[in-house]
Amino acid sequence: GQQVMQIPQYQHVQEGEDFTTYCNSSTTLSNIQWYKQRPGGHPVFLIQLVKSGEVKKQKRLTFQFGEAKKNSSLHITATQTTDVGTYFCAEGGSWGKLQFGAGTQVVVTP
Amino acid sequence: GAGVSQTPSNKVTEKGKYVELRCDPISGHTALYWYRQSLGQGPEFLIYFQGTGAADDSGLPNDRFFAVRPEGSVSTLKIQRTERGDSAVYLCASRIQGASTGELFFGEGSRLTVL
Repeated sequence: GQQVMQIPQYQHVQEGEDFTTYCNSSTTLSNIQWYKQRPGGHPVFLIQLVKSGEVKKQKRLTFQFGEAKKNSSLHITATQTTDVGTYFCAEGGSWGKLQFGAGTQVVVTP
Repeated sequence: GAGVSQTPSNKVTEKGKYVELRCDPISGHTALYWYRQSLGQGPEFLIYFQGTGAADDSGLPNDRFFAVRPEGSVSTLKIQRTERGDSAVYLCASRIQGASTGELFFGEGSRLTVL
């Protein structure tokens, strides 16, 4: 089963607004990866977080790894229609094997 | 091509039939993974190859599922006696072993429908 829980399951956002999606685990995570999957598409890598408290930014996207390495968040500012899709977090394990969450499906209203 | 290639893109079969799904990873990527994605869910790990050998097949749901990678490049996922519950998108991914990030490069997937 999936070890990481993502909330919310669905996120409806008005274009231009900010939102945050969360990834939580009951156990310490070795590392976290985030992927984006457009409707009808395949998952595409966004970022990997490894260190406790790590924060990484990609333009309007800010990724954070919790101090206890049990949670992560993705914050998007000034949402655009191109942000539509499902965002997955995935726990990285041995062999590079990933355990994905169920995802947050983002719908953007113009 | 430059990306991970999967064929067929769509496969419709009848319950009880045998199915093969093919994955051609990015050239030079020694690590290859098969995942299965059901509607509204995240990808679920099935099997991992390092070179020709299956290093981790703990995600295969039962013995009807089998995968091979005989020459360390192309991989085939084989499903025997298909069941309706096998309907899903089967994703293949590859990566460079030892890369600084664990980024997986996914193919477009093979959508399997079992009637």
